[in-house]
Amino acid sequence: NAGVTQTPKFRILKIGQSMTLQCTQDMNHNYMYWYRQDPGMGLKLIYYSVGAGITDKGEVPNGYNVSRSTTEDFPLRLELAAPSQTSVYFCASSPRTSPHNEQFFGPGTRLTVL
Amino acid sequence: EDQVTQSPEALRLQEGESSSLNCSYTVSGLRGLFWYRQDPGKGPEFLFTLYSAGEEKEKERLKATLTKKESFLHITAPKPEDSATYLCAVQVGSGGYQKVTFGTGTKLQVIP
Repeated sequence: NAGVTQTPKFRILKIGQSMTLQCTQDMNHNYMYWYRQDPGMGLKLIYYSVGAGITDKGEVPNGYNVSRSTTEDFPLRLELAAPSQTSVYFCASSPRTSPHNEQFFGPGTRLTVL
Repeated sequence: EDQVTQSPEALRLQEGESSSLNCSYTVSGLRGLFWYRQDPGKGPEFLFTLYSAGEEKEKERLKATLTKKESFLHITAPKPEDSATYLCAVQVGSGGYQKVTFGTGTKLQVIP
């Protein structure tokens, strides 16, 4: 199993551009998550999904959108990129929420908006 | 508001010098507490889940314990390869989705 894979690894965007961060998991997990990690801050949840066709907002959803058409894929869309979206983005998945909710993380995408 | 505080922010140890990392939390209805390890440039890697006060889990040189207010990650005779950032997270709530809140981590450096 490859686990959770993310593409691209690095990306530089200009202000106002759009892009999609890709995330795929091959563990047949129902739950998937998008986090951002900024220096000195804990991981912040952007969006999550409890299954195909079902998504919901996390703590910091503004400026982002997601979709979940399959169990495997959970892309994150940035519209009109802003410097405040410069961060490292992690996708994660977990088999269920309780009692075992250990999350499996991808390697991350480092995004810079200039 | 749920809060998770980790201390110290950074810790430098000599190889073989045992120590503990702290994770204190203020939440309503703790469902589980998680420890993750994060290496530079990589995603967090799951280590342990603790569910109730008094519970302990061990893995190699690491031992995690849980009380009603905090958790400790004890590192016994650490090696340079234990150098990483250790993240604590708490899970609260009930029903379909249970919110997970992460701390900011403790950066551990083990000197040979």
